[in-house]
Amino acid sequence: GQSLEQPSEVTAVEGAIVQINCTYQTSGFYGLSWYQQHDGGAPTFLSYNALDGLEETGRFSSFLSRSDSYGYLLLQELQMKDSASYFCAVRGGNKLTFGTGTQLKVEL
Amino acid sequence: DTGVSQDPRHKITKRGQNVTFRCDPISEHNRLYWYRQTLGQGPEFLTYFQNEAQLEKSRLLSDRFSAERPKGSFSTLEIQRTEQGDSAMYLCASSTGGPETQYFGPGTRLLVL
Repeated sequence: GQSLEQPSEVTAVEGAIVQINCTYQTSGFYGLSWYQQHDGGAPTFLSYNALDGLEETGRFSSFLSRSDSYGYLLLQELQMKDSASYFCAVRGGNKLTFGTGTQLKVEL
Repeated sequence: DTGVSQDPRHKITKRGQNVTFRCDPISEHNRLYWYRQTLGQGPEFLTYFQNEAQLEKSRLLSDRFSAERPKGSFSTLEIQRTEQGDSAMYLCASSTGGPETQYFGPGTRLLVL
């Protein structure tokens, strides 16, 4: 089976940097994806790490350590519109298994 | 590219009734996925199609649930004899290549009374 752990909630101020951690236990690991979901909206793909290291896409970066079964999403220069839920998801074979999500609240 | 669409967006039904949802994926995407999401949880995998073939089903998917993708384009998800526990958001997603990058539709919110 597969299981993922993320913090349930994180609060940060506008302009700050925040890191959302994800640890996982899985068999047949291919990689770790990150998705953003605003209230009432659909999940939107942010990034994917198949190999160890840091992937950067604009203000968002994602990191993976396969040996530690750990990854994180780093959000820089936080904006109010970044307030949303963030899900890590493990790719195993032909599907994704999602974590329970981290609700990020960005305050002024 | 018009994105993934789902119909209906909302459905209210009485316990014991059958419901059917439709998903139209992005046109060139050969992979299609169905998920269920409840409040405060992540999307939960239900089933996966590659073209018209249903290649994987979650063991959580009871025999009341069935999905089809008859011509490898749109897909339908049917729930028979609905129960109150079926109340959730049903999400459809599509991808090309691997499952790591999926494009989600807006979902169908089901309420079973």
